[in-house]
Amino acid sequence: SQQGEEDPQALSIQEGENATMNCSYKTSINNLQWYRQNSGRGLVHLILIRSNEREKHSGRLRVTLDTSKKSSSLLITASRAADTASYFCATDGNTGRRALTFGSGTRLQVQP
Amino acid sequence: DVKVTQSSRYLVKRTGEKVFLECVQDMDHENMFWYRQDPGLGLRLIYFSYDVKMKEKGDIPEGYSVSREKKERFSLILESASTNQTSMYLCASTRNHGGGRAFFGQGTRLTVV
Repeated sequence: SQQGEEDPQALSIQEGENATMNCSYKTSINNLQWYRQNSGRGLVHLILIRSNEREKHSGRLRVTLDTSKKSSSLLITASRAADTASYFCATDGNTGRRALTFGSGTRLQVQP
Repeated sequence: DVKVTQSSRYLVKRTGEKVFLECVQDMDHENMFWYRQDPGLGLRLIYFSYDVKMKEKGDIPEGYSVSREKKERFSLILESASTNQTSMYLCASTRNHGGGRAFFGQGTRLTVV
């Protein structure tokens, strides 16, 4: 089952602009994570936000979480061409299953 | 540097072959996972294991089996490969209690012809 769904599916921006990606999920969660995937490679963890947190920062990344709306957003500020990748949200539902559930991802293209 | 290593980046197999995908992690993680990734579908969980010799079905286990004889190694087995199993396969591991940061291998792109 697809717990997280990202929006938009694809995003193209110019270098220096901000990129915002959204994720919606369906069930209660313990935490929500964002991952990045360069083309044809494995996923790399970016940031984790717990269900009792509302906002978290890491470098140029800002993540928000609204558990009442079951949604999260990832903001990348001052984007660079090297940020071109696919971005996935993943949820750890509090169902006892020890596996993350991933959405279908947002493909970000940053034009130099 | 911590690592999850998948045995192959690319594989081409024939329909009906038995296929083994191997994954090894060096972080002493209890939990290991196999996902497949297809365009537009994101990552879908095939099987996972939270201890040696333990396994649980994920969302799409049909046509697959797994083996975990040692803590560091988790194998995905395609009993009789079919063309609809052509996909990118991703292995991941996490520490116990689940839900923590996952470490991924580089992926295996399997083509079944």
